[in-house]
Parts: sequence; C-alpha cells; structure tokens
Amino acid sequence: DQQVKQNSPSLSVQEGRISILNCDYTNSMFDYFLWYKKYPAEGPTFLISISSIKDKNEDGRFTVFLNKSAKHLSLHIVPSQPGDSAVYFCAASEMWGTYKYIFGTGTRLKVLA
Amino acid sequence: NAGVTQTPKFRVLKTGQSMTLLCAQDMNHEYMYWYRQDPGMGLRLIHYSVGEGTTAKGEVPDGYNVSRLKKQNFLLGLESAAPSQTSVYFCASTKGEVQPQHFGDGTRLSIL
Repeated sequence: DQQVKQNSPSLSVQEGRISILNCDYTNSMFDYFLWYKKYPAEGPTFLISISSIKDKNEDGRFTVFLNKSAKHLSLHIVPSQPGDSAVYFCAASEMWGTYKYIFGTGTRLKVLA
Repeated sequence: NAGVTQTPKFRVLKTGQSMTLLCAQDMNHEYMYWYRQDPGMGLRLIHYSVGEGTTAKGEVPDGYNVSRLKKQNFLLGLESAAPSQTSVYFCASTKGEVQPQHFGDGTRLSIL
C-alpha cells in the first residue's frame, strides 16, 4: 500500500520554464511534507518542507503547495535550470511521535537547454 | 563537514555471505535511519533508531539487523545475504522530529 505516490516517473521541461512536480498521499495523519533532490551516485538532499498549518512555502526558485483536502502537494521550480535535472522525491511524516518518513517513488526531471 | 558517511561504497557478495554496512554521522543527531532504494520503489525504511541503544523496525526489516551502540554510528547487518537484497542502501540522520534528514551517498550492494 503506497501511502505517498508520485504518479509521473519523468518530466521534461525547457530551460527557463516552470517545472511542476506532483505528489499525492493517502494517510490523513501526515502533517509534515518534504521534497528532496537526488543526483546520480549521491544521496538525496533536502530542498524544502511544509507543515499542514500552511498551504504554501517558498525558498528562492522553489515553492511547495499543499492542498490538504485533496491530499496533494506540488513543487514548483521557476525558472527551471539545467542543473535542476535530477530525481525528486516527496516524503511525508506525522509531525510528532512516529519518527518515520514515507517516501514517494520519485520523478526524474530533465531540464532541456 | 563530513555529515553522514557510509562505508563501503560498493560491495559484491555471494548468496549466504554476511556483511555489515557502517553509517557514521558527526552532527550529534539523535535519529538515524537505514533505507533501501530499488527501481520504481522509492526509498523504503528498513530500520531506524531514535537514540543510542535503541532500534526499531521500519517497512522492510526482514533479513536485516541493526545496532546503535554509539550515538554517532548506526550499523546495518545482513546475516545471510540473498539476491533480493541487491539494492542501494542509504543511511540518514536527523536532529529530531520535524526536521529534514541528512543522507549519506549510499552503498551499492550486489548479491550474486
């Protein structure tokens, strides 16, 4: 039972345009969400997070949107750059008491120059 | 800053052999995690620890054991390796709850 789903295995975007990566979850107890970026032969690195008390969080070119009623979050990258080409994972957790993070299967983003 | 260091980076084992993967962090983090990454499966939690001397099972713990004798180290053991354990293993640590995880660069393990 996949509690966190990333239904698009891959995405290609032109440099300078917006990249939108999507993530859906099924567990209504999740209230803390994170996005990680992963380059080949490296570990995932943290990008941005959001708690369920907010519906948007921005950090430079990266914005995460959370729609709790739809159990959906998205990561927007504007403008997209070739260096953004990587695999992106979303992850979810209950903020207190479980210590565990559940990851999606990842979306491979390719930014075309 | 070393962060999270995993040893070894690559290893090939024969079915039935045993080995231990080492994870070391220098950030004084309380929580440590072992994941495996397989194609199309994302990162799946094997075991985790919320402090020195404690361990707990994750989503896919069968065939693995762990120990956290020192706060900075988290060991993952395979007692009798099986081909199904061929994977990339990632260790992560975090300061506490509601904190992002810091990952090592992974150990690529092949079981023949």
